[in-house]
Amino acid sequence: RKEVEQDPGPFNVPEGATVAFNCTYSNSASQSFFWYRQDCRKEPKLLMSVYSSGNEDGRFTAQLNRASQYISLLIRDSKLSDSATYLCVVSSSNTGKLIFGQGTTLQVKP
Amino acid sequence: EAGVTQFPSHSVIEKGQTVTLRCDPISGHDNLYWYRRVMGKEIKFLLHFVKESKQDESGMPNNRFLAERTGGTYSTLKVQPAELEDSGVYFCASSHTGARWTGELFFGEGSRLTVL
Repeated sequence: RKEVEQDPGPFNVPEGATVAFNCTYSNSASQSFFWYRQDCRKEPKLLMSVYSSGNEDGRFTAQLNRASQYISLLIRDSKLSDSATYLCVVSSSNTGKLIFGQGTTLQVKP
Repeated sequence: EAGVTQFPSHSVIEKGQTVTLRCDPISGHDNLYWYRRVMGKEIKFLLHFVKESKQDESGMPNNRFLAERTGGTYSTLKVQPAELEDSGVYFCASSHTGARWTGELFFGEGSRLTVL
């Protein structure tokens, strides 16, 4: 079983749509949670950290449910520029050893 | 400020040959990491340097892989001899050591390795 599981998609949505990605993790000792974004053939970049209380950054909202070991990312009012692969990432330490999910691909169409 | 740079961007070698990948982290970043993504799989941790010391090399697949960071600046990852299953994208990342870890690693664009 993978340590971090994501639906690979692809998710094809029209501009302006709301789309949600989910992720589950297996290690209950995980301490830190993130969403990274990766454009095609580019490097992963931190999109946002995920906190237990939930957090929002503009059109992006991240939620964490520790009891269910479940993380989500909601994107509202999708833009063409949101097309990318979204990587669910967890860490059980503060050393930079990150555990990645396989990524969920989003394609936003005009 | 320059980001993390990796060289070469793409390398094609035959099974049994040797390849050396280089990573230049962001200036001032003590932490340097190697990750790799093989086809169809997730990005996986290989190892972590703090300055010139190996902090964690638990992700190194076997002794055909050798990573160095002499002087605590750039790092190299050598694969010798290369096998078919080593094909993939090797990412380097760096971060600074601060009082509060934000979880943000700065990745390079990766070195794509193809072993034929």
